[in-house]
Amino acid sequence: NAGVTQTPKFQVLKTGQSMTLQCAQDMNHNSMYWYRQDPGMGLRLIYYSASEGTTDKGEVPNGYNVSRLNKREFSLRLESAAPSQTSVYFCASSELFSTDTQYFGPGTRLTVL
Amino acid sequence: RKEVEQDPGPFNVPEGATVAFNCTYSNSASQSFFWYRQDCRKEPKLLMSVYSSGNEDGRFTAQLNRASQYISLLIRDSKLSDSATYLCVVRGSARQLTFGSGTQLTVLP
Repeated sequence: NAGVTQTPKFQVLKTGQSMTLQCAQDMNHNSMYWYRQDPGMGLRLIYYSASEGTTDKGEVPNGYNVSRLNKREFSLRLESAAPSQTSVYFCASSELFSTDTQYFGPGTRLTVL
Repeated sequence: RKEVEQDPGPFNVPEGATVAFNCTYSNSASQSFFWYRQDCRKEPKLLMSVYSSGNEDGRFTAQLNRASQYISLLIRDSKLSDSATYLCVVRGSARQLTFGSGTQLTVLP
């Protein structure tokens, strides 16, 4: 099992460009999440999908959109990237929304110039 | 005030030392508590859950004080491989996880 996979691992964008971060899990989990991690800030929840077919905003959703493509895949889209979106993005999944353990992907390091 | 606060460190300790990390949380309605471990430039991984009665997993002991809204992690007999950032994590009434910014530990040979 690969667990949670993310692509790409690294990305550099110019201000105003768009891109989609991909996430997939092979653990048959119902819930998936997108976090960003900035120095001194801890991980902050951007969006989550408690189950296939649902998505909800987290703590910092502005400037992002998500799609739960199917049970395995959950993508994060930046429509018009800004330097404030420079961060490390982690995707995670859990068996259920209230399950204690979340499993994280290896992260995507994004720089917006 | 941050919902979950941790001393960022860094804590530099010799091998074999005992080290303790503390964490406070602001929401008294918080339901569940955890410690995650994050190695440098890697993803976070669950280290252990924290129960009201306190719990132990080998060299690691976690304790919760609901009255003081305080969580602790004790590592005994530190190993080089314990070097990492330790994240205090709280599940609130909305069932989302809130992460502290982490405490960095370096165990020195």
